[in-house]
Amino acid sequence: EPEVTQTPSHQVTQMGQEVILRCVPISNHLYFYWYRQILGQKVEFLVSFYNNEISEKSEIFDDQFSVERPDGSNFTLKIRSTKLEDSAMYFCASSADTYGYTFGSGTRLTVV
Amino acid sequence: SQELEQSPQSLIVQEGKNLTINCTSSKTLYGLYWYKQKYGEGLIFLMMLQKGGEEKSHEKITAKLDEKKQQSSLHITASQPSHAGIYLCGADGTGANSKLTFGKGITLSVRP
Repeated sequence: EPEVTQTPSHQVTQMGQEVILRCVPISNHLYFYWYRQILGQKVEFLVSFYNNEISEKSEIFDDQFSVERPDGSNFTLKIRSTKLEDSAMYFCASSADTYGYTFGSGTRLTVV
Repeated sequence: SQELEQSPQSLIVQEGKNLTINCTSSKTLYGLYWYKQKYGEGLIFLMMLQKGGEEKSHEKITAKLDEKKQQSSLHITASQPSHAGIYLCGADGTGANSKLTFGKGITLSVRP
């Protein structure tokens, strides 16, 4: 069964550093998403991306965050200057032109 | 914005017992998704419900959607330790490929 692949599975970074989280969505999917889950809390929507542009973003997705689809297969989330409160599990998801979302297994980001 | 309330917050059952958990939306449900998560890990897709009155089953898990009540229930028959985890419901409030809003999750423990 097709999968959404996320790398790395775990990243530790120093506060203030830039991080890039990578995702390979399912190849025929058109819609891409990033979600965040602080440990023990809700899964929260960050941003959705379609047709090479952001279609919706949440209040969490401020100027520190950016997304990109640099080629035909990857979808990245960049955090410019990480803060302690950015420590969370970050999930990528993709969907086709119908109902249904496939989530990746997540990247655990730890900011120290 | 759409809110999903899940109940109960947590549940401990004896192995072999049946159980039901609920997810209630503050707005019209277009698509309702159930996921299972182990603490600190990824989301495992269980089922998606679209139409009012729809019911789906997979192994010992049955999910139903009550469109009028804006509610979904998840029923587990003859629970096993492997059913233990966090059950999350998610809804796309404005239709296909819109963002998913998640509930806080229900922690299920199954005592052998």
